[in-house]
Amino acid sequence: ETGVTQTPRHLVMGMTNKKSLKCEQHLGHNAMYWYKQSAKKPLELMFVYNFKEQTENNSVPSRFSPECPNSSHLFLHLHTLQPEDSALYLCASRNSGGDTDTQYFGPGTRLTVL
Amino acid sequence: GQNIDQPTEMTATEGAIVQINCTYQTSGFNGLFWYQQHAGEAPTFLSYNVLDGLEEKGRFSSFLSRSKGYSYLLLKELQMKDSASYLCAAMDSNYQLIWGAGTKLIIKP
Repeated sequence: ETGVTQTPRHLVMGMTNKKSLKCEQHLGHNAMYWYKQSAKKPLELMFVYNFKEQTENNSVPSRFSPECPNSSHLFLHLHTLQPEDSALYLCASRNSGGDTDTQYFGPGTRLTVL
Repeated sequence: GQNIDQPTEMTATEGAIVQINCTYQTSGFNGLFWYQQHAGEAPTFLSYNVLDGLEEKGRFSSFLSRSKGYSYLLLKELQMKDSASYLCAAMDSNYQLIWGAGTKLIIKP
């Protein structure tokens, strides 16, 4: 248990569906991240939020839309996805400006796009 | 460009020692991280090195050479539960992590 939770753990959706992934951190951190993890590939950074402000968008397609209402919650809204978007989506948090730069990860959402 | 290289897969025997190597090239450098990830689970933090040398934490140790752009993770007295993927990540000048693809470690009895 890392203090970062993600729901749902598994999601199957069609290409025309709209769904949202949720992440919540209970660590008092002020930076949150979305990563995509595909088999045998490095983690791909998608979005970064520092103090609720988006500071990084790594050329992610607009069918992925992040939302950070406060420093504890992060959402990833999904619409009209493609089969190649099937992957493990990981959320992480960090205490930006703290003594350590360690990122702590949630368990991920395994997404399958049919 | 920025790049992390680590072996795709390694096999070792229970009770033995294994060393997982990682080389990195980043724009600026703010430290090297190792994470462990069991199948279907979150990556969990193992170690952080920012200065040259060896950091020891129980059965796990991590080494860094900044001049060589090189790190290794050393696992001693291997146990079956150590079967997992080990992810190397370097932090660049923007404090973003550049990740390797991970090394899948298989432990045999």
